[in-house]
Amino acid sequence: AQKITQTQPGMFVQEKEAVTLDCTYDTSDPSYGLFWYKQPSSGEMIFLIYQGSYDQQNATEGRYSLNFQKARKSANLVISASQLGDSAMYFCAMRDFSSGNQFYFGTGTSLTVIP
Amino acid sequence: EAGVVQSPRYKIIEKKQPVAFWCNPISGHNTLYWYLQNLGQGPELLIRYENEEAVDDSQLPKDRFSAERLKGVDSTLKIQPAELGDSAVYLCASSPRGTGNNEQFFGPGTRLTVL
Repeated sequence: AQKITQTQPGMFVQEKEAVTLDCTYDTSDPSYGLFWYKQPSSGEMIFLIYQGSYDQQNATEGRYSLNFQKARKSANLVISASQLGDSAMYFCAMRDFSSGNQFYFGTGTSLTVIP
Repeated sequence: EAGVVQSPRYKIIEKKQPVAFWCNPISGHNTLYWYLQNLGQGPELLIRYENEEAVDDSQLPKDRFSAERLKGVDSTLKIQPAELGDSAVYLCASSPRGTGNNEQFFGPGTRLTVL
């Protein structure tokens, strides 16, 4: 069964606007972590933001915030004030603590920022 | 602190030839992962090591793929013989032991082209 689902293969956003990238997850473990990574065309995977399953508040890191809705099992990434350099693939991932250090990745969303 | 090092960055071989990839994780990181990433897709786990022990190799095609992590530090992934369908990016990542927001740190990847 798919652990991480990203339903948006491609997204476009106007420069300086905000954009939301969707991610839903599946786990029966009450303890887990959710991550977002950015992968530019150069290929490196860059860690953006983390949300723990017991965290009471939504995570924020600069222009990135994570809209965590635990009951819906969703962990959407919000990028505010988009910049041209934000154009990249974005991957949602989950660390299921019951399986140790196993990470599960989604299929990714390609974001294009339009000037 | 040095990041995850991988070599080579690019490799072009003919089908049926052997190929090997090398990874040096971040110092002190107990967990090492090898992923395969096809174009436009998310990383797919091939094998995960905890120190020198392979704790999850269920997705590793053992008829042609092999891996080792001697002394629990560097790791080598080998394909013998390579097939056309093996063309992909092979990513190595490492993470420290434990739960919490211990994200994976990725290397730059090795782009394999099988002709």
